[in-house]
Amino acid sequence: AQTVTQSQPEMSVQEAETVTLSCTYDTSESDYYLFWYKQPPSRQMILVIRQEAYKQQNATENRFSVNFQKAAKSFSLKISDSQLGDAAMYFCAYRTYSYTSGTYKYIFGTGTRLKVLA
Amino acid sequence: DSGVTQTPKHLITATGQRVTLRCSPRSGDLSVYWYQQSLDQGLQFLIQYYNGEERAKGNILERFSAQQFPDLHSELNLSSLELGDSALYFCASGTGDGNIQYFGAGTRLSVL
Repeated sequence: AQTVTQSQPEMSVQEAETVTLSCTYDTSESDYYLFWYKQPPSRQMILVIRQEAYKQQNATENRFSVNFQKAAKSFSLKISDSQLGDAAMYFCAYRTYSYTSGTYKYIFGTGTRLKVLA
Repeated sequence: DSGVTQTPKHLITATGQRVTLRCSPRSGDLSVYWYQQSLDQGLQFLIQYYNGEERAKGNILERFSAQQFPDLHSELNLSSLELGDSALYFCASGTGDGNIQYFGAGTRLSVL
């Protein structure tokens, strides 16, 4: 069964510094998507970045980038030049498609709470 | 603003009661997903609808049911509520290819 593990319940970073959040997953499939979602205190889930497994190039969105290691099943999120507004819970998610049932499956990790220190 | 609307924002009810949560997807999105997030937990996928039909089922209790209507809005019905059902319930919508989900702001359910 697919699983998503975020081993860091909480992380802290100084404003303007760089922080990396870890995510590992377990799957036997070769085609899937990976996502990072941000959940600020407002509880809204906001898509930060996504990565397609068949693409070797790491995705980047402004200050957010990922380090995707397919063989190691690792998908870490790097936040550069951290800002106070980056403080939130960050969830890693895995999505796969079952050609047998014709359905998608999303699995979320338990989250990492990021604190940004002024 | 994701374009996904969930109502109500907050719901307080008693054990044994039944409630209905409503979700209006983004314009043009055919898929609706429901998730449950208990306190300080990750999201648990409950169920997905695509263009009115149930598409995938996750860890949804038998006391819970959902449907998607012809106008594509969806409702999640929770019955015989228990204290442990207190959680944040999210709805997300997508185009149907499952590539990106857009989340609503959630409904916070408190069962007393």
